[in-house]
Amino acid sequence: DVKVTQSSRYLVKRTGEKVFLECVQDMDHENMFWYRQDPGLGLRLIYFSYDVKMKEKGDIPEGYSVSREKKERFSLILESASTNQTSMYLCASRDRDVGTEAFFGQGTRLTVV
Amino acid sequence: GEDVEQSLFLSVREGDSSVINCTYTDSSSTYLYWYKQEPGAGLQLLTYIFSNMDMKQDQRLTVLLNKKDKHLSLRIADTQTGDSAIYFCAESMPGGYQKVTFGTGTKLQVIP
Repeated sequence: DVKVTQSSRYLVKRTGEKVFLECVQDMDHENMFWYRQDPGLGLRLIYFSYDVKMKEKGDIPEGYSVSREKKERFSLILESASTNQTSMYLCASRDRDVGTEAFFGQGTRLTVV
Repeated sequence: GEDVEQSLFLSVREGDSSVINCTYTDSSSTYLYWYKQEPGAGLQLLTYIFSNMDMKQDQRLTVLLNKKDKHLSLRIADTQTGDSAIYFCAESMPGGYQKVTFGTGTKLQVIP
């Protein structure tokens, strides 16, 4: 059974804290993605990675960074959390081939107070 | 640029058909997808259609693609309470990174 695992389901952090969201996939996929989901806005792409140590900005990268030191792990970093980063964060992975399915983790509900 | 639009909410009675609509702007899309998100869960792929197809049927699901109007629809026949979820339309662009753009999502409420 394929799996994308996000380390936390719920997180509460204080404004200004550095926050790490971890994602691990067991499918040997090259591509990994971080999205945030907000009501009425759908999923917006923050960053993606197409190989180890490679990363590309998505549509809303400001205030975030990422790390991909190993193929199976893709981390999202909030350098200094702010209240407008309160959201649901979804990690996904996908094979490199054209048109293949993206597999999603369960999501991390982050609240910044 | 890419933009995918959906209505936010749809309510249907159990046993009726549901039709969820989506419009997209990028004519170079290669694949179009429908994902389902149940409460408290991530997204799961329901079905997809290649851009040179007009229709795809899979059990209770029918996908229709009008490439001229850039309109995609998902029809669920005999809608059940277990179909209550948020449905996302998504498009995939050609190119090396296979970026996928998602719509805003349509929340389907099935009334018993």
